Amino acid sequence: AQSVTQLGSHVSVSEGALVLLRCNYSSSVPPYLFWYVQYPNQGLQLLLKYTTGATLVKGINGFEAEFKKSETSFHLTKPSAHMSDAAEYFCAKSTRGGGADGLTFGKGTHLIIQP
Amino acid sequence: EAGVVQSPRYKIIEKKQPVAFWCNPISGHNTLYWYRQNLGQGPELLIRYENEEAVDDSQLPKDRFSAERLKGVDSTLKIQPAELGDSAVYLCASSFTGRETQYFGPGTRLLVL
Repeated sequence: AQSVTQLGSHVSVSEGALVLLRCNYSSSVPPYLFWYVQYPNQGLQLLLKYTTGATLVKGINGFEAEFKKSETSFHLTKPSAHMSDAAEYFCAKSTRGGGADGLTFGKGTHLIIQP
Repeated sequence: EAGVVQSPRYKIIEKKQPVAFWCNPISGHNTLYWYRQNLGQGPELLIRYENEEAVDDSQLPKDRFSAERLKGVDSTLKIQPAELGDSAVYLCASSFTGRETQYFGPGTRLLVL
């Protein structure tokens, strides 16, 4: 069963518009949650992560995400899209307290920025 | 600080041939991971090492895949023989022991013809 679900394999927004990429997880206990970005022919770069504490997490390049336990969600947002944001975005989880467990990824969302 | 290094970046082989991928993790990172990323999918864990010990290889297809991490630093992932379905990007990642943040290399893109 899919334990990390990203809604929308492709999302298209205009430059300057709000970016919203959706991620839901399934887990018996709240996991650690991550967003990674992948540019063409490159590896994955960590945008942000939630482990504990404040549920609104700020990351690099102006991105942020909010952990909502009641909705089992960890959606990624950015107030104003830039052309350089065009990439593949992956939501991932790992077991809380599992230390260095392997990550479970969603299928990814391809973000397209329209000029 | 140097990131995770992988080589080769691209590899094209014919089916039934062997192939090997190499990974050098970030200095000081004792935990090393190999992931496979199929086209249009997220990465999937193949194997995780703590130093030289493989602590999670439950998703590694052991009939044709093997991995090693001699001396607990560099690692090699091998496929023998390769099949058409092995075409994918093979990603290596590393982390400090017990830490949740993983750092990924650029990957090796394998095409099996």
